[in-house]
Amino acid sequence: EVQLVQSGAEVKKPGESLKISCKGSGYSFTSYWIAWVRQMPGKGLEWMGIIYPGDSDTRYSPSFQGQVTVSADKSISTAYLQWSSLKASDTAMYYCARALVDRSMDPLGYWGQGTLVTVSS
Amino acid sequence: DIQMTQSPSTLPASVGDRVTITCRASQSISSWLAWYQQQPGKAPKLLIHKASSLESGVPSRFSGSGSGTEFTLTINSLQPDDFATYYCQQYKTYATFGQGTKVEIK
Repeated sequence: EVQLVQSGAEVKKPGESLKISCKGSGYSFTSYWIAWVRQMPGKGLEWMGIIYPGDSDTRYSPSFQGQVTVSADKSISTAYLQWSSLKASDTAMYYCARALVDRSMDPLGYWGQGTLVTVSS
Repeated sequence: DIQMTQSPSTLPASVGDRVTITCRASQSISSWLAWYQQQPGKAPKLLIHKASSLESGVPSRFSGSGSGTEFTLTINSLQPDDFATYYCQQYKTYATFGQGTKVEIK
């Protein structure tokens, strides 16, 4: 069974750094793209970026380029989303999601449970 | 960037109704379109991909159609579990989501 298990909720202050994780299991981790999707409180879904763990090929939405870093450690089947300096506007639920088909970026057929990030002074 | 526009934003409906949600792309995306359902407090769920291909396990009352710039999601005989928010997503060039359509109880 394909599973994506995300790290737990975080409460941070503005300016702090953060790295959240998404561990894949039940499939070949290196063969499927994993995306990160933001959902701000009461708002819609925003595609942030995507990584192919097999070779770490990474793409970003222009809206998120330079704002976050997507990475993966294939030795432990885990993808990451990180910030170097959080802002209050980064408060949101963040989902990781796996592509439905190997070697294709989308659509996103399997989703993690979400990680709630709260940034407040 | 390819922009996706859904309509309506809110759709009041009753159990048993047939509902249709429209999604328009700012440029042609061929059939590179997916539909997702999101229940409150839960992760989105893929319903349809390549505009009209029903994902495994999704009830047949859901159907998708369209190509190019205009797409529709139709739910026949709305069930209680179908009251949720629906998003379209283009994946021709990276990916972008529509703003969502909330199907609510009339």
